[in-house]
Amino acid sequence: GENVEQHPSTLSVQEGDSAVIKCTYSDSASNYFPWYKQELGKRPQLIIDIRSNVGEKKDQRIAVTLNKTAKHFSLHITETQPEDSAVYFCAARSGSARQLTFGSGTQLTVLP
Amino acid sequence: GAGVSQSPSNKVTEKGKDVELRCDPISGHTALYWYRQRLGQGLEFLIYFQGNSAPDKSGLPSDRFSAERTGESVSTLTIQRTQQEDSAVYLCASSLGRLNEKLFFGSGTQLSVL
Repeated sequence: GENVEQHPSTLSVQEGDSAVIKCTYSDSASNYFPWYKQELGKRPQLIIDIRSNVGEKKDQRIAVTLNKTAKHFSLHITETQPEDSAVYFCAARSGSARQLTFGSGTQLTVLP
Repeated sequence: GAGVSQSPSNKVTEKGKDVELRCDPISGHTALYWYRQRLGQGLEFLIYFQGNSAPDKSGLPSDRFSAERTGESVSTLTIQRTQQEDSAVYLCASSLGRLNEKLFFGSGTQLSVL
C-alpha cells in the first residue's frame, strides 16, 4: 500500500518568514495530494490540494508543489502569521485505492 | 446536518469491554472514512465506505475492530474486548466521493481504555 513520510515533525519560524513542509510517497500511481490543517483541539480541515496533472497550485499565502518523478510534494506558507500555528498533515491517494494515506504531521509554530 | 457528527465525544471504558462509536456524515456524502489518531501522532486509516460498494477494511488493526454503514447514512465503529492501546481519538470523515475528494471531519470520539 501507499506510504507517506513527512518532514520535519516540528518547525518554528518567526512571524513573516516562510515555512516549508515536505512529504514523499511510495506509490507512483498516486494521483491526489491534499494538505490538512489541524488546530489544537479541533478537527482537521483541508487547506489546499493538488492533482498529479499539475505541478504547482497557489492560494493566497499557501502553495503546493508536486514532483512526480521524485515522488515528493511540498507545502509552502509565505508571510507566516501566528494563526498559522497548527499541525499540518499531507496525504496521498493511490490510484488503486480510494482511501487517503496521511503523513505523520508537522507541528508548525509561528513566533510573534 | 451542518457537518459530520460523532458520538459520544468522550468514552471511558474498562479493558475488555466493547465500545460502539457513531458517525453521522453530511447528507448526500457517499464516502465515509474512519481514522484513528493517537496522542501527538498522525491519522491512521481504519476503514472506508463508498456508496454500496464493498468497504475497504485494509486498515483495521485486528479482528476486534469492525464497522458498518447502512446505505449512505450512519456508520458505527465497534471495538470488542478493548485494550489500553486502543486509547485514541477516533475521527470520522465524509466526502461527496467520486472525484470530489475533500474530506469533512467530525470532531472525533476520545476513547480512553483504563
